[in-house]
Amino acid sequence: DTGVSQNPRHKITKRGQNVTFRCDPISEHNRLYWYRQTLGQGPEFLTYFQNEAQLEKSRLLSDRFSAERPKGSFSTLEIQRTEQGDSAMYLCASSPISAGGSNEQFFGPGTRLTVL
Amino acid sequence: AQSVTQLGSHVSVSEGALVLLRCNYSSSVPPYLFWYVQYPNQGLQLLLKYTSAATLVKGINGFEAEFKKSETSFHLTKPSAHMSDAAEYFCAVIGNNNDMRFGAGTRLTVKP
Repeated sequence: DTGVSQNPRHKITKRGQNVTFRCDPISEHNRLYWYRQTLGQGPEFLTYFQNEAQLEKSRLLSDRFSAERPKGSFSTLEIQRTEQGDSAMYLCASSPISAGGSNEQFFGPGTRLTVL
Repeated sequence: AQSVTQLGSHVSVSEGALVLLRCNYSSSVPPYLFWYVQYPNQGLQLLLKYTSAATLVKGINGFEAEFKKSETSFHLTKPSAHMSDAAEYFCAVIGNNNDMRFGAGTRLTVKP
């Protein structure tokens, strides 16, 4: 399977704990994105990487959130001191860089986080 | 700034009936527009995209959408609904930061 993969698929944690999610993009894709989706809403942009460089961060990404893509391949999203409001589906997407900017994004299955 | 608005959070149709899901966009530059479908507990799958090559865009599973600049719309249609079309549908536009900006979604229910 050459699609975007995310691990784990589900994570249940207690408030105050740290969690880390992993995303493996499609191998030839330069760009990698993280989104958060809460129940009944569309995904909201968190951050994106072009190769290993983190180029944009949303104001939604508080200082408890950090994302890395150390070798320009897989990425991790860490949430420190989790809060109940962090409960959501965290989606990863990847895209190639194409002329004209019409980059279609390919999404992974998501990691559903529940903070008790 | 680019944004999209989906009209109607729930749409219900009978099997075999026309499906029409509405999306209006706001953009100061020619937009890149997308429709995605999401089944329960899954990621998003691209149905179709508009990149200015043609105003009528055909996608997978019999869906199509028409870009209408005068109406700032990009509505999604399918002539005949199938039970397997029941899902959440999201309209999206590419933003200034290469982020994808989504609408709130429309849940499609198909009645037998």
